Amino acid sequence: DIQMTQSPSSLPASLGDRVTITCRASQDIGNYLRWFQQKPGKSPRLMIYGATNLAAGVPSRFSGSRSGSDYSLTINSLESEDMAIYYCLQHNEYPLTFGSGTKLEIK
Amino acid sequence: EVQLVESGGGLVQPGRSLKLSCAASGFTFSNYGMAWVCQAPTKGLEWVASISTGGGNTYYRDSVKGRFTISRDNAKNTLYLQMDSLRSEDTATYYCARHGRFDYWGQGVMVTVSS
Repeated sequence: DIQMTQSPSSLPASLGDRVTITCRASQDIGNYLRWFQQKPGKSPRLMIYGATNLAAGVPSRFSGSRSGSDYSLTINSLESEDMAIYYCLQHNEYPLTFGSGTKLEIK
Repeated sequence: EVQLVESGGGLVQPGRSLKLSCAASGFTFSNYGMAWVCQAPTKGLEWVASISTGGGNTYYRDSVKGRFTISRDNAKNTLYLQMDSLRSEDTATYYCARHGRFDYWGQGVMVTVSS
């Protein structure tokens, strides 16, 4: 199975900060990587697809990038509505695997 | 508007069965593979199973193989998850989503396995 090692697990940050969350894939997944945002009691929301593409309706302060087997989600100029848990997902092969999640919270 | 609405959850004893449904609308259901994803209380997301557009190909995580069955009825625009031999560790919120894209998710349905 492909392991998605996500870090950090918790990320205290201030409004206006630039933050980066990373997932490292244990095997090649190409660009079959998606990022989701989940708020308490809500369903996950797709933020990034194909590792670098912004999903519909997602603010432009969000971006995705890839460097080898490392995939990153960056949020520029944090806003209060961005406080949530973020997950990566590889869908290159079965079983599909999620990262363990990063809780983004106000410092 | 795309909508996915899960139903069928509840409290069930270990070893018993439950069948979840996911009613789809707002898109051509038969054109999309579908998936179930679960989330145990206070835990992360886990992929459970996926099914191809016609239902001929199904895929499962190891922990549910032989116990869960994913299926679909394209005439009814509905996805199913038959859950047999339930265990306490199956306790979770179950979401349906469009496989591959994961661009639309249902609101989730809670399954609690407890005596």
